[in-house]
Amino acid sequence: ELKVEQNPLFLSMQEGKNYTIYCNYSTTSDRLYWYRQDPGKSLESLFVLLSNGAVKQEGRLMASLDTKARLSTLHITAAVHDLSATYFCAVGNTGTASKLTFGTGTRLQVTL
Amino acid sequence: EPEVTQTPSHQVTQMGQEVILRCVPISNHLYFYWYRQILGQKVEFLVSFYNNEISEKSEIFDDQFSVERPDGSNFTLKIRSTKLEDSAMYFCASSELLPNTDTQYFGPGTRLTVL
Repeated sequence: ELKVEQNPLFLSMQEGKNYTIYCNYSTTSDRLYWYRQDPGKSLESLFVLLSNGAVKQEGRLMASLDTKARLSTLHITAAVHDLSATYFCAVGNTGTASKLTFGTGTRLQVTL
Repeated sequence: EPEVTQTPSHQVTQMGQEVILRCVPISNHLYFYWYRQILGQKVEFLVSFYNNEISEKSEIFDDQFSVERPDGSNFTLKIRSTKLEDSAMYFCASSELLPNTDTQYFGPGTRLTVL
């Protein structure tokens, strides 16, 4: 059974600081997704990572994938308050209507 | 920008009652999904649907659950006899299988409260 674990579960950081969220998964997968969820809201797609060594960046967020280590990271650079949300990684596989297995989520709080 | 829509946004029901949650996926998408999220917990897969049949389902999706695409636009999740533990946020998602993506786009969710 695929397990997806994130750490930390909760992260409080000051504006302007850098930090990394880690996502480990237990079985081989060829695609990794990052989603953002604001309180009481839906899931917003941030990144899709499809191959070993893939790196994607959008604004202050950068995601990477190491399929050999079964590890993805979400790096936050110079955090701002607007990034406060819960971030989920999710693992999928190629194939028709492949389900996503979500991680536990990391609740990020950026303080002034 | 096209988006997935869901109705109702909040549904309150009595234990043992039937509920139907409705979703309108993005129009050119072919793959549809239901997930649920119990308050404060992670998102859990329920079922995926393609070409008018279930592709995959989880252990949660027992015989109390069913899905249907009654017409060309709606995708529904029915719970026949709700239990207290069915209280959760239910998300519909859709995707268009492309070689380098197949990102699943999520709707705003229906909050189901079973009393």
